[in-house]
Amino acid sequence: DGGITQSPKYLFRKEGQNVTLSCEQNLNHDAMYWYRQDPGQGLRLIYYSQIVNDFQKGDIAEGYSVSREKKESFPLTVTSAQKNPTAFYLCASSIAGLGTEAFFGQGTRLTVV
Amino acid sequence: QQQVKQSPQSLIVQKGGISIINCAYENTAFDYFPWYQQFPGKGPALLIAIRPDVSEKKEGRFTISFNKSAKQFSLHIMDSQPGDSATYFCAARVGQGAQKLVFGQGTRLTINP
Repeated sequence: DGGITQSPKYLFRKEGQNVTLSCEQNLNHDAMYWYRQDPGQGLRLIYYSQIVNDFQKGDIAEGYSVSREKKESFPLTVTSAQKNPTAFYLCASSIAGLGTEAFFGQGTRLTVV
Repeated sequence: QQQVKQSPQSLIVQKGGISIINCAYENTAFDYFPWYQQFPGKGPALLIAIRPDVSEKKEGRFTISFNKSAKQFSLHIMDSQPGDSATYFCAARVGQGAQKLVFGQGTRLTINP
């Protein structure tokens, strides 16, 4: 089945540690995205990538880093510089183009303990 | 100008009733307006979407009404069912290429049996 796989589903991190969230897609989509979701708020864009080896900051990139070495993979690292990392993280992908659907993964819930 | 404002934050509707969720935007460069449905612990899934050159789009029980001059759009769910209970997000996209979606704050819809 084609889709987006995020892992792990739940992640606990100690303060001061970096942690990497995985996102893999087998939809052959060019574009991939990372969003953050907090209770009572909409999704906010962290980073996006339109093509391999290229990515752009979104609205809330501070404290996060990404890489796009392969078309199907777009891992997100939450660094110790992120002041409030506890959130639900969503990865998405789409065909780059007008009016095309963005498909979302099932999310990773990160909790800082 | 990049914001999308969504209301209400929560909505309770009786089974068989009509659920209405509203969104407003400022940026006239937005060119694609999707609605996403999200169940607890899951990623959002595209429900229905509209382009600004169309005033209404209907898919089954779901209808988007779009008022370009007022810069508002709304989701109507006819004959609402308990299975429709979820969080709904409106969104807007600017620019071609990557799906840089700006999301509303979300509406938690509960359909009482």
